[in-house]
Amino acid sequence: GENVEQHPSTLSVQEGDSAVIKCTYSDSASNYFPWYKQELGKGPQLIIDIRSNVGEKKDQRIAVTLNKTAKHFSLHITETQPEDSAVYFCAASYNAGNMLTFGGGTRLMVKP
Amino acid sequence: NAGVTQTPKFRILKIGQSMTLQCTQDMNHNYMYWYRQDPGMGLKLIYYSVGAGITDKGEVPNGYNVSRSTTEDFPLRLELAAPSQTSVYFCAGGEKPNEKLFFGSGTQLSVL
Repeated sequence: GENVEQHPSTLSVQEGDSAVIKCTYSDSASNYFPWYKQELGKGPQLIIDIRSNVGEKKDQRIAVTLNKTAKHFSLHITETQPEDSAVYFCAASYNAGNMLTFGGGTRLMVKP
Repeated sequence: NAGVTQTPKFRILKIGQSMTLQCTQDMNHNYMYWYRQDPGMGLKLIYYSVGAGITDKGEVPNGYNVSRSTTEDFPLRLELAAPSQTSVYFCAGGEKPNEKLFFGSGTQLSVL
């Protein structure tokens, strides 16, 4: 089955700096890669997703890049703000499957 | 719209007790999922449903059961609670399999 590894497990940045979280996946058939943000005491919330036919996708301060050959994808947050502090999860799945496999999560702390 | 609603938010069980975690959604999603989240770990799929009357096992189904009598409701049943079931449980729904999932706020369960 699919295995998704996420790094780093914790990340501390200064407000205004950029943050990058990286994930690798094992199943070359995976073609859908979402990122979820989980604030304390809440359920995960989708922030951006990308399909395997696209190399990069941006939404304001958030971007995701995908390298199919290397089987890794990354979340980039620019101009970080204190409200970006949360746990971020990457995940991978493929159309024919019924399981979304999550990475272990990254705790991002943005210091004001 | 309330989205995905889970009850209760917190529960403490004794070993061997049983309980039902409730999940209801008002978004008319066919696809619904139950995940568990252990400390510092990603989410693991317990059971899922592709529509009323249809359920199937996920990655970690042992010790759990589900039913889907209506589109709106997807309860998770623990029959004989064990300490290994201490976790945070999330219900989620979506229009397409594994894509753009909406999560509930979670149920924190402790089995002592």
